[in-house]
Amino acid sequence: EVQLVESGGGLVQPGGSLRLSCAASELTFSDYNMHWVRQAPGEGLEWVSYISSSGSTTYYADSVKGRFTISRDNAKNSLYLQMNSLRDEDTAVYFCAAQGVVTYYFDYWGQGTLVTVSS
Amino acid sequence: EIVLTQSPVTLSLSPGERATLSCRASQSLSSYLAWYQQKPGQAPRLLIYDASDRATGIPARFSGSGSGTDFTLTISSLEPEDFAVYYCQQRSNWRYTFGQGTKLEIK
Repeated sequence: EVQLVESGGGLVQPGGSLRLSCAASELTFSDYNMHWVRQAPGEGLEWVSYISSSGSTTYYADSVKGRFTISRDNAKNSLYLQMNSLRDEDTAVYFCAAQGVVTYYFDYWGQGTLVTVSS
Repeated sequence: EIVLTQSPVTLSLSPGERATLSCRASQSLSSYLAWYQQKPGQAPRLLIYDASDRATGIPARFSGSGSGTDFTLTISSLEPEDFAVYYCQQRSNWRYTFGQGTKLEIK
C-alpha cells in the first residue's frame, strides 16, 4: 500500500522558517510528480507547489512564491518544502500528494502535518 | 488565474437520494477537471478525473460529466458514508486550483 508520511510541522513565530518532509513508500517515487497542498483550519484546499519527477521543474502558488521552496531527493524517496518568512495566513495542515501517472491528478495523499504561525 | 465556483455551498439530502453537485470554471478547461471527497480529519480522495473517469476503487454510484466551463458530480443513491465535503480541481495550467467545496450533509 502506498504511504506518504509528512513531518516537520509545528509552532513557529511570524517571520520564521520551517522545513516539511514527506517520506514515500511502496511507490516508485522517482516516477511521480509531487505536490504540496494546504488547508487552513475550517477552510478549503489550496494548491501550494509542484515539482516534476526529476526535480527539474517547479511551480508555486502566488501566495507563497519567493518564500517557499519545493525540492526532492529521489534516492531517499523524500519530498521537502522549505518555508521562510512565514505569515499568520500560512497556518494550515500541509499535505503532500503524488500526481498519478495515469490520472495526472492527485492519486495519493499523506495524512498532513499542521503548521501554526503565531507569536 | 482560473477560478472554480462550486454550488451549492451546502446540500442537505437523505440516504438513498440523488445528489447533484456543480463546478463552474472562469475559463474553458476542456475536460481537465477532477472531483475529490474529504471527510473530517482525513486527506482528500480522488473520485473522478478528466471530468468523467472514475478513479480506481470508486463505486459506480459516483459519476462525473461536463466539459468546457460547466461540470457536474452526481451520486446516484446516497450511502451514509458519502456525507462529506466535495472539491473540484482543475489542471489546465500548472496551478491546479481547487473550488471552495460543497458540503453534503444528512438531512
